[in-house]
Amino acid sequence: DTAVSQTPKYLVTQMGNDKSIKCEQNLGHDTMYWYKQDSKKFLKIMFSYNNKELIINETVPNRFSPKSPDKAHLNLHINSLELGDSAVYFCASSNRPSYNEQFFGPGTRLTVL
Amino acid sequence: AQTVTQSQPEMSVQEAETVTLSCTYDTSENNYYLFWYKQPPSRQMILVIRQEAYKQQNATENRFSVNFQKAAKSFSLKISDSQLGDTAMYFCAFMTPNTGNQFYFGTGTSLTVIP
Repeated sequence: DTAVSQTPKYLVTQMGNDKSIKCEQNLGHDTMYWYKQDSKKFLKIMFSYNNKELIINETVPNRFSPKSPDKAHLNLHINSLELGDSAVYFCASSNRPSYNEQFFGPGTRLTVL
Repeated sequence: AQTVTQSQPEMSVQEAETVTLSCTYDTSENNYYLFWYKQPPSRQMILVIRQEAYKQQNATENRFSVNFQKAAKSFSLKISDSQLGDTAMYFCAFMTPNTGNQFYFGTGTSLTVIP
């Protein structure tokens, strides 16, 4: 059983388009995250979210927005895609208050042409 | 501010040998958690080992062990008997409960195990 899943795994699109990446976790975790990994493999937190609190990394452009229809899902919407948005995006989840590890999805490679 | 520094962008080791990856962090918190994650070419992020800051004993997981020096804010990973499957990017990560469960990652060390 897949713990954290993301769709699609690969996404190629034109500049200016709007796209979404879906994330689902079946672990019963209460906190979910989105990370961006650039070409140099640097992993940067974008958002963390539970049913009470959305924490946004202040460096993330407002073209990016997380949307959570329920506790098991945290989707990432990106408007007006730019070349610099090309990266691998990882979804992850964890549980409070045990402060255990984060479980990561397989990543979505986004390429903006 | 919470920061994690990995000063070794790339490392290599002969198969069956031992290698140590360095990590330092900075925080004013006293309660926190440290992790090493592995990212093989498959791209999947996999937890290698975890250390609670309040525990003095260094964590070990089979061939993986850490040297946790709290006063020096150092958290190095030792891989013994290196195997070809250990070839991957290794990320040191840090989390403190007071920052909303957010994880802070280092820039990674690319490890290559040479046959």
